[in-house]
Amino acid sequence: SQQGEEDPQALSIQEGENATMNCSYKTSINNLQWYRQNSGRGLVHLILIRSNEREKHSGRLRVTLDTSKKSSSLLITASRAADTASYFCATDYSGNTPLVFGKGTRLSVIA
Amino acid sequence: NAGVTQTPKFQVLKTGQSMTLQCAQDMNHEYMSWYRQDPGMGLRLIHYSVGAGITDQGEVPNGYNVSRSTTEDFPLRLLSAAPSQTSVYFCASRSRQWGSYEQYFGPGTRLTVT
Repeated sequence: SQQGEEDPQALSIQEGENATMNCSYKTSINNLQWYRQNSGRGLVHLILIRSNEREKHSGRLRVTLDTSKKSSSLLITASRAADTASYFCATDYSGNTPLVFGKGTRLSVIA
Repeated sequence: NAGVTQTPKFQVLKTGQSMTLQCAQDMNHEYMSWYRQDPGMGLRLIHYSVGAGITDQGEVPNGYNVSRSTTEDFPLRLLSAAPSQTSVYFCASRSRQWGSYEQYFGPGTRLTVT
């Protein structure tokens, strides 16, 4: 399987703290994407980082990519209870093939 | 735009029954995919299509069939349901345009096979 791996599997933090999730993958990529899934819902795209980028920001989200280590991290700053969800990384190997998803990180933000 | 729609939302089947999960998108996306999501397994790709008339197998295709006769629709057929196919099924689509890599998901179909 080419499936990526997120770490940790589950994360519980207090509101206002930062949450960091990591993703490792196996082969060269065109881009890497992060998605969010609220309980019982479909996945929603959060942010994309291309293989030639090292860091990207969107609001309270910061994504880094290290292609030499085949890894990425997602940082959510000043977390809120509404950030409680599962977060998935997805690798796009060529831009023309289906995304390959990891197993996800379950984030719980306690008010 | 309705985005990606899936029907039904819930379904219970008996072992051996067949059924079709419907998926439609109104964004004129060339790429469409079916995933299944099981606890602790993340999303696994079943089948995908890069355009009308073209389909290919993903990671877990056994027991499923697809066709793509139009750009909008991508139905998933379960040929003879088995308890191992109890899962949540997601359909997704995305554009083929360079730079438009974001994937859009439907709300899912929760299938139970008894």
